Amino acid sequence: DTGVSQDPRHKITKRGQNVTFRCDPISEHNRLYWYRQTLGQGPEFLTYFQNEAQLEKSRLLSDRFSAERPKGSFSTLEIQRTEQGDSAMYLCASSSRRTGSGEQYFGPGTRLTVT
Amino acid sequence: EDQVTQSPEALRLQEGESSSLNCSYTVSGLRGLFWYRQDPGKGPEFLFTLYSAGEEKEKERLKATLTKKESFLHITAPKPEDSATYLCAAPISGGYNKLIFGAGTRLAVHP
Repeated sequence: DTGVSQDPRHKITKRGQNVTFRCDPISEHNRLYWYRQTLGQGPEFLTYFQNEAQLEKSRLLSDRFSAERPKGSFSTLEIQRTEQGDSAMYLCASSSRRTGSGEQYFGPGTRLTVT
Repeated sequence: EDQVTQSPEALRLQEGESSSLNCSYTVSGLRGLFWYRQDPGKGPEFLFTLYSAGEEKEKERLKATLTKKESFLHITAPKPEDSATYLCAAPISGGYNKLIFGAGTRLAVHP
């Protein structure tokens, strides 16, 4: 399977704890995106990487959130001091600049529950 | 303000009963309109990209069309396995970096 993978698939944490999620994009894709999705809503953009450079961040991404893509391959999203409002599905997507068509391919997501 | 709105929020069909889902958008300088399918607990699955008014794309029982203000996803003779949430999205920054999604249409097809 050469699709986007995410780990873990589910995470339950207590309020105030830190959590980290990992995303492995499709191997030849140089662009990587993080989105957040709550129940009944479409995904909301969080941040975007081209290779290892983080080029865009949403206002939704408070200073408790940090994302990295150290070698231009996998990416991590860390949430510090989690709050109940952080409970959501965190989705990673990747795309290739070469295709020119812009479609993003999504992973299965990480479901975060903050108790 | 860039916006993507989908209707209806939910749609219940009998197997074989064709219908259409609507996606209306107000996005400056549209550079494409994407349709995705999302099953419960999973990530969105890419279906189509439409670039210009009048363009149509088909995949099995699905056909997507685009006008200057909206896109339609037509479902012909649906089957229960077509039950899912259908999302449309448009890029709103330079290039294709940030997608703005509608809230989706939850489709249920009953035998």
